[in-house]
Amino acid sequence: GNSVTQMEGPVTLSEEAFLTINCTYTATGYPSLFWYVQYPGEGLQLLLKATKADDKGSNKGFEATYRKETTSFHLEKGSVQVSDSAVYFCALSMNRDDKIIFGKGTRLHILP
Amino acid sequence: EAQVTQNPRYLITVTGKKLTVTCSQNMNHEYMSWYRQDPGLGLRQIYYSMNVEVTDKGDVPEGYKVSRKEKRNFPLILESPSPNQTSLYFCATQTQGSYEQYFGPGTRLTVT
Repeated sequence: GNSVTQMEGPVTLSEEAFLTINCTYTATGYPSLFWYVQYPGEGLQLLLKATKADDKGSNKGFEATYRKETTSFHLEKGSVQVSDSAVYFCALSMNRDDKIIFGKGTRLHILP
Repeated sequence: EAQVTQNPRYLITVTGKKLTVTCSQNMNHEYMSWYRQDPGLGLRQIYYSMNVEVTDKGDVPEGYKVSRKEKRNFPLILESPSPNQTSLYFCATQTQGSYEQYFGPGTRLTVT
């Protein structure tokens, strides 16, 4: 079945460090890919998305590129801030209105 | 303001005592869903509803019930809670034709 695998955390970085959180997927067909973020004490919210191969999603300084050849959608940010501390979920969906399949989440701690 | 509300936010109860967690949305979204979030397991879907009077099982429906009598409300019912249902629960909504889900703030349930 369709699934998402993301790197286990927690990931701890110093402020202004470069961030990569790896995500790979398995799917029959061509899914849309997402990153959701969960700040402490809150629900998940959509951070960025890409709906076809080679698309780049971006938001709040974060970027991820849909790589069909490596079935990956790694999340990157050039300079993280303490306020980026959160849990990040990679996810996929095969169609609009279809179920969203989430990875297990990666907790990110940013130290000042 | 567009929002998904859940009540209660925190609940401690005892085994076997029936409880209901409410979810309400003001965005007129057709799709609503319940998830539970557990350490190391990520988000798992419990039940979902495509529209009023239409509900279906997710990945972990055992021990839960839902109903969708009105578009805006999607309560989660635990008829006889057990300690293995101790978890963080999220309600989410999605409009037809969209990829994005909107999450409530979560309900932390402890069953002793």
